Amino acid sequence: QKEVEQNSGPLSVPEGAIASLNCTYSDRGSQSFFWYRQYSGKSPELIMFIYSNGDKEDGRFTAQLNKASQYVSLLIRDSQPSDSATYLCAGLIQGAQKLVFGQGTRLTINP
Amino acid sequence: GAVVSQHPSRVICKSGTSVKIECRSLDFQATTMFWYRQFPKQSLMLMATSNEGSKATYEQGVEKDKFLINHASLTLSTLTVASAHPEDSSFYICSAHDDGAGRSGANVLTFGAGSRLTVL
Repeated sequence: QKEVEQNSGPLSVPEGAIASLNCTYSDRGSQSFFWYRQYSGKSPELIMFIYSNGDKEDGRFTAQLNKASQYVSLLIRDSQPSDSATYLCAGLIQGAQKLVFGQGTRLTINP
Repeated sequence: GAVVSQHPSRVICKSGTSVKIECRSLDFQATTMFWYRQFPKQSLMLMATSNEGSKATYEQGVEKDKFLINHASLTLSTLTVASAHPEDSSFYICSAHDDGAGRSGANVLTFGAGSRLTVL
């Protein structure tokens, strides 16, 4: 079992709708989770991080963490074509201070 | 904000050549840097953790004699792909943790722009 798992997609969402990206993790000791966006041929860029149960909002983005279910999600409201990218979920491995990435979900926002 | 510079951004070489990639933290000190590799349409795979002043820690399956890491200062780590072969062609990305940011839950890494290696 991979430490961090995502549905690879592709996920297609109409412009203006809510895009929902999901991630599960296997290490119950993982404390912090990160969502990165990666455009084709580019390096990942951080969108949000979360380490407390519940929701964390930043503009059009909301990260959700449920430690009991070992589940992390990212919601993108009012989706824009520029949001089309691969979204990577990453978990911080406790003690090792290193990030482990999921395989990424490719998101396409259709105008 | 924290900036990580990676050089070169793109390199094409012949099989058997050794290639060096540099990763520099421009405005912060980084005791620890990480090297990732990403094949097309795949996720980032951690190759090794680079530690200033000590040996790198390699992930399982990564050949330390092939991927040589040197972290000689608090702002520079280098990855040398020794005797590169076509199967080493990939996107190599470094990241660094700001020593001044502390070890809170927000252990945010700053990524370099990546180096695309093509071995002919």
